Amino acid sequence: EVQLVESGGGLVQPGGSLRLSCAASGFAASSYWMTWVRQTPEKGLEWVSNINEDGSEKHYVDSVKGRFIISRDNSKNSVYLEMNNLRDEDSALYYCVRSARGDLWGQGTLVTVSS
Amino acid sequence: VLTQSPATLSLSPGERATLSCRASQSINNYLAWYQQRPGQAPRLLIYDASNRVTGTPARFSGSGSGTDFTLTISSLETEDFAVYYCQQRSDWPAWTFGRGTRVEIK
Repeated sequence: EVQLVESGGGLVQPGGSLRLSCAASGFAASSYWMTWVRQTPEKGLEWVSNINEDGSEKHYVDSVKGRFIISRDNSKNSVYLEMNNLRDEDSALYYCVRSARGDLWGQGTLVTVSS
Repeated sequence: VLTQSPATLSLSPGERATLSCRASQSINNYLAWYQQRPGQAPRLLIYDASNRVTGTPARFSGSGSGTDFTLTISSLETEDFAVYYCQQRSDWPAWTFGRGTRVEIK
């Protein structure tokens, strides 16, 4: 089955860190740009970061630059989002998304930043 | 910035739904429409303004170019009551999403 499965979310204190993982199955993730998008009731859907097929190009929304790092391991068909110095406003449901068209989404992993 | 209207659309099954998405500047045809049902991830329906993804029912159609775009559902089915988002990739690699239109049962 073609799918994306996110993991690694949880409750973390402000200033803490989390590493999200996205495991692809049923297709070769190495053929696609991969993106992280987050969603909250207050802000809606927000693009966070993306990475090109071989990991040589990475982009971030301004609010996470210097704190989040996107990476991928094509041998494991996986993409990651390392989140550091987390803030309350980073609390969201984080989705992993395939391709520049956004044609496949995972079910999301919930990140809650709270003391 | 993408502005969707209306915020909520109250209709009955079988009725026609017309959803609007307006961009603050031209995005050519780089506009997509997503459907999100409660508790589910967004699902891509339409890309590049008017192209249906495989599996998107024919009752869904997208139109427009430049700054004004429309998603039309010709005859609402029960499973179509959901939230719909537009998204632009004209600023690739960044994406921008609209705030959504909720289509609810009247």
